[in-house]
Amino acid sequence: GQNIDQPTEMTATEGAIVQINCTYQTSGFNGLFWYQQHAGEAPTFLSYNVLDGLEEKGRFSSFLSRSKGYSYLLLKELQMKDSASYLCAVRDSNYQLIWGAGTKLIIKP
Amino acid sequence: DAMVIQNPRYQVTQFGKPVTLSCSQTLNHNVMYWYQQKSSQAPKLLFHYYDKDFNNEADTPDNFQSRRPNTSFCFLDIRSPGLGDAAMYLCATSTTAGTGPDTQYFGPGTRLTVL
Repeated sequence: GQNIDQPTEMTATEGAIVQINCTYQTSGFNGLFWYQQHAGEAPTFLSYNVLDGLEEKGRFSSFLSRSKGYSYLLLKELQMKDSASYLCAVRDSNYQLIWGAGTKLIIKP
Repeated sequence: DAMVIQNPRYQVTQFGKPVTLSCSQTLNHNVMYWYQQKSSQAPKLLFHYYDKDFNNEADTPDNFQSRRPNTSFCFLDIRSPGLGDAAMYLCATSTTAGTGPDTQYFGPGTRLTVL
């Protein structure tokens, strides 16, 4: 079966750095996405990785290792508004998105 | 601004009473998706349209139907809602079904309550 694993919940302090990990086992790989979802709202696109390495976009960076089936999302200079769920999704060989259940990130002052 | 719009944002229905949720988009994307998401769970794909081609997920109950009368609009019909159908329903669009990033862009969602 296909599976995306992420920690259920993480807590971090305002101004700090946090890394949210995602491991996947899918039938094929055609890209990995990170989305941010605030409570009661729709997911919004954060990043896309299809090749190994780090993609940086402002305070957010995303890393991919295809050989290890592993990605992480790195959030720097945390702000209170970063409190949200972060969803990892992998597109498989059928071009379907396989979603993780998300990691709820709690930011404390 | 180009966007994905869902109406209504909140819908309350009674057990067994049919309900229709709507989605429209100004992005001119050819793929539209309907997801069901329950609290603290991953979004679950119900079906998607690639242009007018309808693709139903194998485990989507027959109680859920969809229509796409044109590129801009897509509807989700729940014929006889049960208590287990209470969820957030998310509409998303993308440009194609899988080449390049083809990022999915989501509407704000409709929160369905079944009494």
